[in-house]
Amino acid sequence: GQQLNQSPQSMFIQEGEDVSMNCTSSSIFNTWLWYKQEPGEGPVLLIALYKAGELTSNGRLTAQFGITRKDSFLNISASIPSDVGIYFCAGNSGGSNYKLTFGKGTLLTVNP
Amino acid sequence: NAGVTQTPKFRVLKTGQSMTLLCAQDMNHEYMYWYRQDPGMGLRLIHYSVGEGTTAKGEVPDGYNVSRLKKQNFLLGLESAAPSQTSVYFCASRKELAAYEQYFGPGTRLTVT
Repeated sequence: GQQLNQSPQSMFIQEGEDVSMNCTSSSIFNTWLWYKQEPGEGPVLLIALYKAGELTSNGRLTAQFGITRKDSFLNISASIPSDVGIYFCAGNSGGSNYKLTFGKGTLLTVNP
Repeated sequence: NAGVTQTPKFRVLKTGQSMTLLCAQDMNHEYMYWYRQDPGMGLRLIHYSVGEGTTAKGEVPDGYNVSRLKKQNFLLGLESAAPSQTSVYFCASRKELAAYEQYFGPGTRLTVT
């Protein structure tokens, strides 16, 4: 099936720094979603993207749907300790409208 | 609105035992999903349902069964638990075909000894 390559696998940053992570695919995706998962909890939806080139913000988070439709980026500005968690990308490539493909996640650690 | 709820939160089973995990959603969503999450593997789809009375296999369906007798509930069953089924299980729901956003429950941590 489709695979999403998410990078980096983990990041250790200082509070206040900006963060960038991305997701790439070998096939075209028509939807990109970004989730955050905190320890012991389920993933929480952060941002949904539906159009190539779309740039959407949610507070300090900004995500973009790549114009090639094969990638997406998530940026976090001025990180704070509560940004700690695993960030997942997910998408639908149109093969089956019912399912999402998930990346393996980026583990973010923020040092105060 | 409670959103998506899962019971139980934790469970320990012996090999060969059976159990049912319950997922409930109060958002009137049509689509429901069961995933398992293992370290380094991300989220893998076990089974899903596109409406009351329907179920379909995901990526890793072996050893699991599901039922969707009521729109708001999606049950995941393990008939004969194996240590390989030790995992964290998440249920998710989605409103409609036009919207891909899935909303997740808090998870069930299952250990099979």
